[in-house]
Amino acid sequence: GAGVSQSPRYKVAKRGQDVALRCDPISGHVSLFWYQQALGQGPEFLTYFQNEAQLDKSGLPSDRFFAERPEGSVSTLKIQRTQQEDSAVYLCASSPEDRGYNTIYFGEGSWLTVV
Amino acid sequence: SQKIEQNSEALNIQEGKTATLTCNYTNYSPAYLQWYRQDPGRGPVFLLLIRENEKEKRKERLKVTFDTTLKQSLFHITASQPADSATYLCALDPEYGNKLVFGAGTILRVKS
Repeated sequence: GAGVSQSPRYKVAKRGQDVALRCDPISGHVSLFWYQQALGQGPEFLTYFQNEAQLDKSGLPSDRFFAERPEGSVSTLKIQRTQQEDSAVYLCASSPEDRGYNTIYFGEGSWLTVV
Repeated sequence: SQKIEQNSEALNIQEGKTATLTCNYTNYSPAYLQWYRQDPGRGPVFLLLIRENEKEKRKERLKVTFDTTLKQSLFHITASQPADSATYLCALDPEYGNKLVFGAGTILRVKS
């Protein structure tokens, strides 16, 4: 597709359930980012991939959060044993370069509600 | 502590006027700063990037200034239209790498 695609768009999970959020970046984009956005706030960095290498995961809030990009294209963000504070929009973004000085393209986000 | 601050209150202006949004930061020395637009239920859309050695950048009706002494960026939309109504986010990269730090955004409402 022409843009960054995320699925599912909406997910309701029961507390304690595991969830997996998928991101299809723009074809050929080297860099891939995951951000978390709470209501009324700006996006907060979670993790960054350059091709298949996860170069920065400093923003992942706990060891319940795990991200992978095994073949350097599609990425999955997994949240284990979800808790109510995990409710947020999870945004994926990609960039054609390996540095951040370029345009970053965001997807529409996956809205996670933990009940 | 490091932080980015944007106008917390919504900015309401009349169509045709110039909207000016403010982004202030403390304890950062960014090489560049970016502005994004975000519509409800959508992801942010990149608008402009301004580097530390650039005082001003323009794109159509948009103008961004960057004052590294004041640690402030101003974002202007001239001849504003109701379609410009959205949340505008500023973001900077504190580590010259690939980790953007965003402000909370300012809601702009343009009334006809």
